[in-house]
Amino acid sequence: EAGVAQSPRYKIIEKRQSVAFWCNPISGHATLYWYQQILGQGPKLLIQFQNNGVVDDSQLPKDRFSAERLKGVDSTLKIQPAKLEDSAVYLCASSWVAGNTIYFGEGSWLTVV
Amino acid sequence: TQLLEQSPQFLSIQEGENLTVYCNSSSVFSSLQWYRQEPGEGPVLLVTVVTGGEVKKLKRLTFQFGDARKDSSLHITAAQPGDTGLYLCAGARSGGSNYKLTFGKGTLLTVNP
Repeated sequence: EAGVAQSPRYKIIEKRQSVAFWCNPISGHATLYWYQQILGQGPKLLIQFQNNGVVDDSQLPKDRFSAERLKGVDSTLKIQPAKLEDSAVYLCASSWVAGNTIYFGEGSWLTVV
Repeated sequence: TQLLEQSPQFLSIQEGENLTVYCNSSSVFSSLQWYRQEPGEGPVLLVTVVTGGEVKKLKRLTFQFGDARKDSSLHITAAQPGDTGLYLCAGARSGGSNYKLTFGKGTLLTVNP
């Protein structure tokens, strides 16, 4: 069974530029999560989808971050404009339904200079 | 905000030694999970503990959930270099589809050969 796929793996951008990350969850998983993991910290939930609906985006900085899961499968996380403090690993994860085991992708490493 | 405090933050030991890492909170969780994250990878679930006082064993790893379901410990016997990684605890609060997982900052374990 294929795992959670993410791209790109690495991205370096200048502050005020934009970036987009893509995630393909495990086939059949209804719940998709985006986490931000800053160096030295644990993952912090940015947004949770149930199919194509948003369940929780309370910690998403909505002035610069956006995410969508239009067809209830793939998802895109966008940052515009990026700030230095956005440098982090962006982890996508999925589960069969909320409450089931969460499987993480390898992450997309963002450096903002 | 529910905080999970993990200690120690860093631990470097020799192969064959035993160790215990701790995860403490002032909040009650419906369950608590332990993950291991290796460099360049996403976290991988090791175990979920649900019942207060529960003890689970996974080969040389022993996990315990506190009686009040606010804290947990992970004990590793005869550590091996392959145990090296970031150990994260995560507390779960469930409410239908709004299943929320809060991570601690992790304990970075290095086992030297």
